[in-house]
Amino acid sequence: EVYLEESGGGLVQPGGSLRLSCAASGFTFSNYWMHWVRQAPGKGLVWVSRINSDASGTSYADSVKGRFTISRDNAKNMLYLQLNSLRADDTAIYYCARERSFLEVTGLGHWGQGTLVTVSS
Amino acid sequence: DIQMTQSPSTLYASVGDGVAITCRASHSISNWLAWYQQKPGKAPKLLIYKASNLGSGVPSRFSGSGSGTEFTLTISSLQPDDFATYYCQQYNSYSFGQGTTVEIK
Repeated sequence: EVYLEESGGGLVQPGGSLRLSCAASGFTFSNYWMHWVRQAPGKGLVWVSRINSDASGTSYADSVKGRFTISRDNAKNMLYLQLNSLRADDTAIYYCARERSFLEVTGLGHWGQGTLVTVSS
Repeated sequence: DIQMTQSPSTLYASVGDGVAITCRASHSISNWLAWYQQKPGKAPKLLIYKASNLGSGVPSRFSGSGSGTEFTLTISSLQPDDFATYYCQQYNSYSFGQGTTVEIK
């Protein structure tokens, strides 16, 4: 069974940094593109970032470009999101998610339960 | 960037009703569209991929249609478990629609 578990969220001051982790199990992690999606309290889903299977390519939403960095360790089945220069509007639940298929891009078929990041002084 | 616009924002319906949610893309995305269901406090669940393909374990009362810039999610007969928020997502640049909440009339 596919399992994704996020960790690393918490309370951080504006301008601070945080590193989110996502532990993956139940599938061949190195085959799949992975994503981070966030959701501010009471708001909709916002795509944040994506990394391809061998970490050779990444993309970011404009709102986080230059501040957030996605990475992965295929040997450890781990996905990461480094959050720098955090702002109040980065406050959200951050979900890691796996592509439905490793053969083609078809949507996010598996999600973790999310980790809450709160940016406040 | 491709913008996704869903309508309506809120939909009121009764158990047994057929409902439709529309998603419009600002540029053509072929059939690169997914639909998700999200319940309060839970992670989203993939319902439909490539505009019209049913996700794993998704009941057949859910269906998707459309291509290019206009897409529809249809629930043929609402069940109590279907009252939730629904999002479309294009996977050219991955943006989501703003969501449609289906509430009990």
